[in-house]
Amino acid sequence: EAEVAQSPRYKITEKSQAVAFWCDPISGHATLYWYRQILGQGPELLVQFQDESVVDDSQLPKDRFSAERLKGVDSTLKIQPAELGDSAMYLCASTPAEGRINEQFFGPGTRLTVL
Amino acid sequence: GENVEQHPSTLSVQEGDSAVIKCTYSDSASNYFPWYKQELGKRPQLIIDIRSNVGEKKDQRIAVTLNKTAKHFSLHITETQPEDSAVYFCAASRNTDKLIFGTGTRLQVFP
Repeated sequence: EAEVAQSPRYKITEKSQAVAFWCDPISGHATLYWYRQILGQGPELLVQFQDESVVDDSQLPKDRFSAERLKGVDSTLKIQPAELGDSAMYLCASTPAEGRINEQFFGPGTRLTVL
Repeated sequence: GENVEQHPSTLSVQEGDSAVIKCTYSDSASNYFPWYKQELGKRPQLIIDIRSNVGEKKDQRIAVTLNKTAKHFSLHITETQPEDSAVYFCAASRNTDKLIFGTGTRLQVFP
C-alpha cells in the first residue's frame, strides 16, 4: 500500500540553525499539507498546496518558515533560524485528486528537537 | 475562527466496557469528520470518518454519530481491548480544506 514518505525521521539542531524537512506524497495526490504537532496537542496546519500553488499559509510564521512544492510533487519545509519553540512533530499529509478527496493520509512525521 | 472542542481529555475504562468521546465543531460549513488514533511517537491513523450527509456509521467495534443541527459528533468504541489504548483526535473540515483537530482524548483500557 502506498504511503506518504518523510525524511528525516528525527532531527536535533541548535537554535539559530537552519533545518529542512522533505515530504513525498502518495503518487497522484494533488493536495499536500504540512502540519505541526506540539506534544500533547492536535496537529495544526502550517501550509497547504494544491499542485504547486499555496492554498493556505495563514498560520505559517513567514519570517522564519518557508515551504515549496516546485513541480507539484514532493515538498520541502524549511525553518531558518530555528527557535526553541519550534520543537515539535512535523507531519505531512496528502489527499487524492478524485474519489475520497477529503481523506488525508499522514506520513510518519519528522520529530524536531531544538536545543 | 473555526475550532473543535473535544471531551473528555482522559478516559479510563475496564477491558470489555464501552468508551465514548464527544466533539463539537463551530464551522457549520464543515462536511467531513474523521477520527484518528495516535500511538506515542507515531503518525495519526484514520480509524473512521463520516460525511455530513450521513448520521451514523459503524465499522466492527467502532461507530461514529453526527448531529449536524447541534454540530456534535461522537466516537463510540464497544468491547474495548488493551490495544485500543492511545490518544484519539476528532477533526472537522470543509471539502479539501485543512483539518481542524480537537485537543485529543487519552484512552486507557485496563485489563
